[in-house]
Amino acid sequence: KNEVEQSPQNLTAQEGEFITINCSYSVGISALHWLQQHPGGGIVSLFMLSSGKKKHGRLIATINIQEKHSSLHITASHPRDSAVYICAVLNTGNQFYFGTGTSLTVIP
Amino acid sequence: DAGVTQSPTHLIKTRGQQVTLRCSPKSGHDTVSWYQQALGQGPQFIFQYYEEEERQRGNFPDRFSGHQFPNYSSELNVNALLLGDSALYLCASSFGDEKLFFGSGTQLSVL
Repeated sequence: KNEVEQSPQNLTAQEGEFITINCSYSVGISALHWLQQHPGGGIVSLFMLSSGKKKHGRLIATINIQEKHSSLHITASHPRDSAVYICAVLNTGNQFYFGTGTSLTVIP
Repeated sequence: DAGVTQSPTHLIKTRGQQVTLRCSPKSGHDTVSWYQQALGQGPQFIFQYYEEEERQRGNFPDRFSGHQFPNYSSELNVNALLLGDSALYLCASSFGDEKLFFGSGTQLSVL
């Protein structure tokens, strides 16, 4: 079993829809990262969370430490949001574990 | 301010050869981590360097080794290359508990 599980694996949405990507983890963590990877490989760190909620533009990330669960929400989705979204956790031993990613396609 | 830079961008090697990949961290960052991403998979953590020491290591064989220099730049070395080592190798830098910044990666093909 992977230490980090993401769902769904693939997601297709119409432009303007509200999108939620989920991440569950099984290890004790010091931080959780949401990453965005576009075709060609470039990765951008969207959020780093250790508790609560963060918002940046149309993106919102939440984490529930007790339930070992995090969600990434995209409001008013746009075709340029099409990418792979990866959840990564930094465990208390300072080691990273990555989910396999959620491939999002937003259709105009 | 340059972000994380990696070189080379692409590399082709044959089985059994050795390869060295390079990473320059974002200015002000002192920690460098390396990741392997196979096609269609999420990144896998290789190791992390801080103060020129390997601070943490993922589940990779000893063929994978690294180094961090006094200017915080880092190298990833892979010996005795296997076909399965073909992947995108990503470097990320950070400072303390701040966000990771990723380079655009080195695409390694082993023939």
